[in-house]
Formats: sequence, C-alpha cells, structure tokens
Amino acid sequence: QQQVKQSPQSLIVQKGGIPIINCAYENTAFDYFPWYQQFPGKGPALLIAIRPDVSEKKEGRFTISFNKSAKQFSLHIMDSQPGDSATYFCAANSGGGADGLTFGKGTHLIIQP
Amino acid sequence: NAGVTQTPKFRVLKTGQSMTLLCAQDMNHEYMYWYRQDPGMGLRLIHYSVGEGTTAKGEVPDGYNVSRLKKQNFLLGLESAAPSQTSVYFCASARYEQFFGPGTRLTVL
Repeated sequence: QQQVKQSPQSLIVQKGGIPIINCAYENTAFDYFPWYQQFPGKGPALLIAIRPDVSEKKEGRFTISFNKSAKQFSLHIMDSQPGDSATYFCAANSGGGADGLTFGKGTHLIIQP
Repeated sequence: NAGVTQTPKFRVLKTGQSMTLLCAQDMNHEYMYWYRQDPGMGLRLIHYSVGEGTTAKGEVPDGYNVSRLKKQNFLLGLESAAPSQTSVYFCASARYEQFFGPGTRLTVL
C-alpha cells in the first residue's frame, strides 16, 4: 500500500514558469512533510519542509502548500531555472522525527532554457 | 565536517556473496536510517536506529541485517546477496531533519 502518492511522474516547464508537484497521503498520523531534491548520482537533499499547523511555507523560490482536510500538499517553484532540473521527492513521517520517511515515487523535472 | 559518508561507493557482487555497507556521520545524530532506491520506486526504508545499540525494521527489511555498535556508525549487511538487491543504497542521519549520504551503487549478478 503506497502511503504517499506523488504526481506527475515527469514534468517539463519553460524557464521562468512555475512547476507544481502534488502529493497525497493516507496516514493521518503523519505530521511532518519534507521535500527533497536529487541530482543524478547524488543523495537526496532537503529542500523545504512543513508541519500541518500551517497551510503554506516559503523559502526563497520554493513554496509548500498544505491542505490538511484533503490530505494533500504541493511544491511550487517560482521563476524556475534550468539549474532546478532534478528529481523531486515528497515524503512524510510521524513520531517526532525518529521514524523513517515514507517517500513518494518522485517527479523528474526538466526546466527548458 | 563531512556530514554523512558511505563506503564503498560502488560494488559488484555475485549471487550468494556477502558484504557490509558502512555509514558514518559526524553530526552527533541519534537517529540513523538505511534506504534503497530503485527506478520508479522512490526511496524505501530498510532498517533504522533511534540510538546506539538499537535497531528496528522498516518497510523492506528482508535479506538485510544492521548493527549500530557506535553512535556515529550504522552498518548494513547482506548475508547472501540476490539479484533483487541490486539497487542504490542511501544512509541518512537525523536529529530532526534527515540528511542523506552520497549513496552506494550495488549490482548483484
């Protein structure tokens, strides 16, 4: 049973556009929702994270929107650049951080110049 | 401050061989994790540890064993490697947010 569903699998956006990646979760015990960015041959790197007590969080050009009632959250990348081309993973966990993360299957994002 | 390091970076095994992957962190984190990443599957948790001397099973623990004898190290063992264990293995450590190592690419022939 996949507990975090991520879409789309792949996404191509023109430079300056706003790619949006969506995730939906099933486990209502989840209380921490990070997004990771991964470049080829590298490990995932934490981009931004949110807890369910807020509906939106911004860090630079990256924004997470969170809808607790719908059990959905999304990543928006403002003014996207070719250097943002990477694979993005949403994830979730509970238990104060000790639990392992449950990941979505990833979105391969290409930003065209 | 090296963060999370993994040894080796690459390895090729034959079916039935054994090996140990080493993860080390210098951030004094309590929590450590082993994940595997397969194409189109995201990352899946194999085992994790919430402190020195403790381990717990994750989503896909079969065929793997782990040990956390020292706080800074987390070892992942494959006793009898199978082709289904061909994957990229990532270690992570955390106090709150999880920080990942660079990965070990393992091929089992």
